[in-house]
Amino acid sequence: RKEVEQDPGPFNVPEGATVAFNCTYSNSASQSFFWYRQDCRKEPKLLMSVYSSGNEDGRFTAQLNRASQYISLLIRDSKLSDSATYLCVVNKMVTGGGNKLTFGTGTQLKVEL
Amino acid sequence: SQTIHQWPATLVQPVGSPLSLECTVEGTSNPNLYWYRQAAGRGLQLLFYSVGIGQISSEVPQNLSASRPQDRQFILSSKKLLLSDSGFYLCAWSVSGYQPQHFGDGTRLSIL
Repeated sequence: RKEVEQDPGPFNVPEGATVAFNCTYSNSASQSFFWYRQDCRKEPKLLMSVYSSGNEDGRFTAQLNRASQYISLLIRDSKLSDSATYLCVVNKMVTGGGNKLTFGTGTQLKVEL
Repeated sequence: SQTIHQWPATLVQPVGSPLSLECTVEGTSNPNLYWYRQAAGRGLQLLFYSVGIGQISSEVPQNLSASRPQDRQFILSSKKLLLSDSGFYLCAWSVSGYQPQHFGDGTRLSIL
């Protein structure tokens, strides 16, 4: 099983639609969760952290289900500018202590007129 | 505020030539530093990470090496490039291993 698994998409949605991305992770000890956005041929940028109680930032809502090891991102009222690849990111502990982040391969979103 | 600089933005190199990519971070001390590679249409592959000066962890065996000669400087090198080394190379920093990473603009490397 992959450490972080996402549906690659693409998700093609009309402007104004609500779209949801899902992500599962394999390490039950993971403590940090993030969503990143990557535009074509650009670096990934942090979109939002994901907290246990769920959190919202404008049109974006992130949720975490620790029991199911599942993270989601909901985008409401999609804009053309939301078109990008969305990366699910989870931490894992490494040998000798410490942590590092594992990036999913991303879900591509295309918002159309 | 913290900033990360990575250069060059694009690079075209012949097979067998050496490589040196540099990354520097400003506005923070003792950051964790990372080198990633992303092949076209693929996900991020972690190559190296460093938690301090001279401390390098390698994630995958390969033709590349990394060094951290100063606290906020991370260098990716190769003595002889292979065709398979082509890709988008990204440097990133974070405060710790479980906090968000922040990426440089990346270097697009083409091997001919």
